[in-house]
Amino acid sequence: QVQLVQSGAGVENPGASVTVSCKASGYTITSYSMHWVRQAPGQGLEWMGIISPSGRSTSYPQKLQGRVTLTRDTSTNTVYMELSGLRSEDTAVYYCAIQPLGYSSTGFPYGLDVWGQGTTVTVSS
Amino acid sequence: DIQMTQSPSSLSASVGDRVTITCRASQSITRYLNWYQQKPGKAPKLLIYAASSLQSGVPSRFSGSGSGTDFSLTIRSLQYEDFAIYYCQQTYSIPYTFGQGTKLEIK
Repeated sequence: QVQLVQSGAGVENPGASVTVSCKASGYTITSYSMHWVRQAPGQGLEWMGIISPSGRSTSYPQKLQGRVTLTRDTSTNTVYMELSGLRSEDTAVYYCAIQPLGYSSTGFPYGLDVWGQGTTVTVSS
Repeated sequence: DIQMTQSPSSLSASVGDRVTITCRASQSITRYLNWYQQKPGKAPKLLIYAASSLQSGVPSRFSGSGSGTDFSLTIRSLQYEDFAIYYCQQTYSIPYTFGQGTKLEIK
């Protein structure tokens, strides 16, 4: 059974960096693209980026370029999301989620079908 | 960036009702459209991918349709467990934006 387990919640100071981990079980991270999505309190979902199965390719929204970095460790089957220069508006629940590779029988890609449980990051002094 | 606009933002309905939520993209995304359901304190759950394909394990009362810029999610015969927030997401081009969400409440 494919499962994603994320690291625990934390409180961070403004200006600091935070790293959230997402450990996969039931599959290897070289088999799926992994996305990160965050949700501020009472708000909607915001897509934060994607890392390819090979780990050689990442993409981020312009809004977070330069502050977010996705990396992975194949030895522990874990993907990491680092967010730097934390601001109060970065207070959110952060999710990892995987997307199966390739295309469905419709000729279009699959959705994000397995999600981590979420990690709450609070930015406060 | 492609903007995704859902309507309505909130909706009240009764158990047994049929409801439809719409999602409009700011440009054509062909069928690169997913629908998710989220309940309080939980991660989103994939319902529909590729605009109309039902994710494995999702009840058949959920259905999706549309292509290009206009899409819809229909829930036939609402059940208590369907009251939640629903989001659409485009995966046509990065950034893979979400709609603002539609909150489905019990009338």
